[in-house]
Amino acid sequence: QVHLVESGGGVVQPGKSLRLSCAASGFTFNYYGLHWIRQAPGKGLEWLAYILYDGSDHYYSDSVKGRFTISRDDSTNTASLEMNSLRLDDTAVYYCVRDGRPLLRSFDWLGVWGQGTLVTVSS
Amino acid sequence: FILTQPHSVSESPGQTVTISCTASGGNIGGNYVQWYQQRPPSAPTTVIYEDNQRPSGVPDRFSASIDYSSNSASLTISGLKTEDEADYYCQSYTGVNQAVFGGGTKLTV
Repeated sequence: QVHLVESGGGVVQPGKSLRLSCAASGFTFNYYGLHWIRQAPGKGLEWLAYILYDGSDHYYSDSVKGRFTISRDDSTNTASLEMNSLRLDDTAVYYCVRDGRPLLRSFDWLGVWGQGTLVTVSS
Repeated sequence: FILTQPHSVSESPGQTVTISCTASGGNIGGNYVQWYQQRPPSAPTTVIYEDNQRPSGVPDRFSASIDYSSNSASLTISGLKTEDEADYYCQSYTGVNQAVFGGGTKLTV
């Protein structure tokens, strides 16, 4: 069965850094592009970042460009989101999401979602 | 590129409801539109992809379309069931390698 499990969330002070991880199982990891998407408490979904299936390119939303970095390690079937200079409004549940179809050179529909990990930025 | 949805809609069981998603700052037909269902506190799931395609397991009570004249997409759910009560989000892409979501619509059945 296809699974994505996020980890690394927690409480962090403004200005600090945090690294989220996404452990994948049940599919050929290096065939799929991956996204990070977040949802602030009581708010809607916000797309943050995407990395191609082969890691050759990545894209970011304007709100996190320059602060967040998406990466992947195909040897461990893990994706990561490195978050720097965290702000109060970065408080959210962060979802790791897999493309719907494999081996695409651009965005696909959001096929498989993890259950999310909560990041709380607070002093 | 912005996608605007109504904040909430309400309909009775057995009836049909349509949720709109209006694009501004770009052409709705420029990229595919997806629709996601979220029953809080669970993660979203896909109910429609590529404008009008249903993933396996999604009942045919869910359908979607694009109206190029109004620059909008619509999700229609027929034969409403109480289990359809959820938040629904439309999603598409900008022209600069970014994805974008509508603000979400709370469906009350």
